Amino acid sequence: ELKVEQNPLFLSMQEGKNYTIYCNYSTTSDRLYWYRQDPGKSLESLFVLLSNGAVKQEGRLMASLDTKARLSTLHITAAVHDLSATYFCNAGGTSYGKLTFGQGTILTVHP
Amino acid sequence: SQTIHQWPATLVQPVGSPLSLECTVEGTSNPNLYWYRQAAGRGLQLLFYSVGIGQISSEVPQNLSASRPQDRQFILSSKKLLLSDSGFYLCAWRPGSSYEQYFGPGTRLTVT
Repeated sequence: ELKVEQNPLFLSMQEGKNYTIYCNYSTTSDRLYWYRQDPGKSLESLFVLLSNGAVKQEGRLMASLDTKARLSTLHITAAVHDLSATYFCNAGGTSYGKLTFGQGTILTVHP
Repeated sequence: SQTIHQWPATLVQPVGSPLSLECTVEGTSNPNLYWYRQAAGRGLQLLFYSVGIGQISSEVPQNLSASRPQDRQFILSSKKLLLSDSGFYLCAWRPGSSYEQYFGPGTRLTVT
């Protein structure tokens, strides 16, 4: 059974600092997703990573995938308050699109 | 363009009452459909998924059920709600040819 683990679960950052959220998964997966969730809201898709070595960037966020290490990272550069949210990764590979979510990382960016 | 709707947005129901949540996708055909529950504002739990009309797979044994009466309609039901059914219910869809899932706005259910 696929398991997905994120760390840290809670991240408090100062504006302007850099940090990385890690997402490990337990078995082979041919895709990895990152989502953002604001309080009380639904999930917003950030990145879809489909191959080993894939790297995608949007603004201050950059995601990468290492399928050999079964690891994805979400790197935050020069954090700003607007990035405060919960970030989820999920992985899966079945033909029915069944995906397994990590626990989520609650990110708080302080001035 | 494709859109996904859920209703109601918010629901307060007493223990033991029935439940019906609806999810509808527009602008696509034959999507894969999913019901998730998020409790206490944290992790998401996959409850049901469907790859076609009348085809439902259950991930977690519980007092909930799902149905797909039409291609783009997915319904989550319960005959008798429990306190533990409270949570944020999210419907998602995935085009058959794509890898990505798209989430609806969610229904916040409080069982009192």
